[in-house]
Amino acid sequence: GAVVSQHPSRVICKSGTSVKIECRSLDFQATTMFWYRQFPKKSLMLMATSNEGSKATYEQGVEKDKFLINHASLTLSTLTVTSAHPEDSSFYICSASRADIQYFGAGTRLSVL
Amino acid sequence: KNEVEQSPQNLTAQEGEFITINCSYSVGISALHWLQQHPGGGIVSLFMLSSGKKKHGRLIATINIQEKHSSLHITASHPRDSAVYICAADRNTDKLIFGTGTRLQVFP
Repeated sequence: GAVVSQHPSRVICKSGTSVKIECRSLDFQATTMFWYRQFPKKSLMLMATSNEGSKATYEQGVEKDKFLINHASLTLSTLTVTSAHPEDSSFYICSASRADIQYFGAGTRLSVL
Repeated sequence: KNEVEQSPQNLTAQEGEFITINCSYSVGISALHWLQQHPGGGIVSLFMLSSGKKKHGRLIATINIQEKHSSLHITASHPRDSAVYICAADRNTDKLIFGTGTRLQVFP
């Protein structure tokens, strides 16, 4: 079946640094990928829709300058958390769409000290 | 009111019990997803269904489009089934609307 790989699975960084998370579709081309954020004991929240070759579409309340999304190829989207702060600590999950089915990455747990 | 509601929020069971998790939605959908999230956060897609019933091993998912309701059943539950189960409504806009999840604990 389709596989989406997300890397890293866990990252700890200092406040003020930037962190890049990668989302790859391993065996299919994904023109659209999605980035979600999950707060503790809360449901997934869509942050943005990543479109290959064009700018990402951000959901209301999500800072585009804070969460940079690049979808440079049909198999790779990256989310960069810039100038990370402790409140950015969260679980970030990507998904890629293929034939109306979303395939999820395993997620990245970000801890900002 | 959330567009996707799940019940119960928390569920405990003894090994071997039959488990049902319910999901109701108030929006028009093209499909409904059931996801499993294990401790540590990793997510696995269990089912995507738009009508009727699907079965995979001990898991069964049903959906009633008219009543806007879906259920996830686990037969002969096992401690390894302990996880958070999330339903998500697909409105054919590629934007899923997630329920808040049901935390299941199965004890030996």
